[in-house]
Amino acid sequence: QSVLTQPPSVSAAPGQKVTISCSGGSSNIGGNSVSWYQQLPGTAPKLLIYDNDQRPSEIPDRFSGSKSGTSATLGITGLQTGDEADYYCGTWESSLSAVVFGGGTKLTVL
Amino acid sequence: EVQLVESGGGLVQPGGSLRLSCEASGFTFRSYWMHWVRQRPGKGLMWVSRIYIDGAKTTHTTYADSVKGRFTISRDNARDTLYLQMNRLAVEDTAVYYCVRDGGSTETFLDNWGQGILVTVSS
Repeated sequence: QSVLTQPPSVSAAPGQKVTISCSGGSSNIGGNSVSWYQQLPGTAPKLLIYDNDQRPSEIPDRFSGSKSGTSATLGITGLQTGDEADYYCGTWESSLSAVVFGGGTKLTVL
Repeated sequence: EVQLVESGGGLVQPGGSLRLSCEASGFTFRSYWMHWVRQRPGKGLMWVSRIYIDGAKTTHTTYADSVKGRFTISRDNARDTLYLQMNRLAVEDTAVYYCVRDGGSTETFLDNWGQGILVTVSS
């Protein structure tokens, strides 16, 4: 059982937009910044979003992040088949002094 | 270019020990918090531990409850190397272990990941 809650799967057609939610509480998302990670099949995770809504320079602006209260959202526009991956949210859990992740969301581009 | 290369994984019997290493390059290793994150086969990410040595040479470490007392994280800033000593290993510790750099200063985010090393605990 993950501290952060994500939908197990989402799907959309190429070119469309999809959002992935990440729900937590006051001791994690509510008080700390959220990051998002993309894990393509058979590879290590890669940082997509940090500090709730910041993109590393190499990440295209099709990827966006937002946070409101104890929830965060990852948005992906202009979906491509290459975006098919598992996506994880993560943050600091103050009550545990630990990094916590969501259970992951599998994105299928139909 | 930041590179993190893990080594030391393999097959070990339940109750046994293993030490993972992670050689870092392409950045000032001593300036960053470093983490271990693991992923059981077909499962999600699970944070294991983190470490930093401050200017006063004080070592700061944190562990996940599931490994506390069994795993020990350490680092050698002179060798740009991160370690994870794993003792009393259980079948549930079978996973790919990733060495990860923390890119944050005041907030934690994991900006560079190694390729991962497989640890299999089985009799």
